[in-house]
Amino acid sequence: DSGVTQTPKHLITATGQRVTLRCSPRSGDLSVYWYQQSLDQGLQFLIQYYNGEERAKGNILERFSAQQFPDLHSELNLSSLELGDSALYFCASSKQGLAHNEQFFGPGTRLTVL
Amino acid sequence: GESVGLHLPTLSVQEGDNSIINCAYSNSASDYFIWYKQESGKGPQFIIDIRSNMDKRQGQRVTVLLNKTVKHLSLQIAATQPGDSAVYFCAENVSGGSNYKLTFGKGTLLTVNP
Repeated sequence: DSGVTQTPKHLITATGQRVTLRCSPRSGDLSVYWYQQSLDQGLQFLIQYYNGEERAKGNILERFSAQQFPDLHSELNLSSLELGDSALYFCASSKQGLAHNEQFFGPGTRLTVL
Repeated sequence: GESVGLHLPTLSVQEGDNSIINCAYSNSASDYFIWYKQESGKGPQFIIDIRSNMDKRQGQRVTVLLNKTVKHLSLQIAATQPGDSAVYFCAENVSGGSNYKLTFGKGTLLTVNP
């Protein structure tokens, strides 16, 4: 158990809908990262937050947004969902959010868009 | 369990043998590299990292080798055990400033036969 929790574990929804994925980092970690893992694209970095502020952006679509709250938990919002958004979404956390800080991954949320 | 890729390179070894998993990275400016292990149904788990000022680093039963000349990274697992069966990812990062983005490889599926 990495100490990172993600809810829900599974999510099934329809095209055009909006969903929110939630992540709680390990105790004491200030930085949260979101990743998407799909069969054809592999593991892709989406976005990073550090202590409530966006720090780095990767291959995140404009339909997707995220935020980190004062209690350091984070939410990833996915809107206008398409079939191709079906994937595993992982959250990871690290102490300081620096390049050489070890990232601890949560168990993931499996999103299925029908 | 969860499938993380349809066309992953695969490596099949006998229990007790040594395993070598290879990774070619693309960015010559990358200066930090990490190996992750992902078991079926779980998030990636940190194994070992190496900075670009090193060419070898050893952990418990694992060794990472870095060849910057040919942009190649390898993970050696000694005395491979059934519990080592998983998908292994290399990741690269260009550090500096507050920008942080890990780029993951496609992964290699390691199967350990008892």
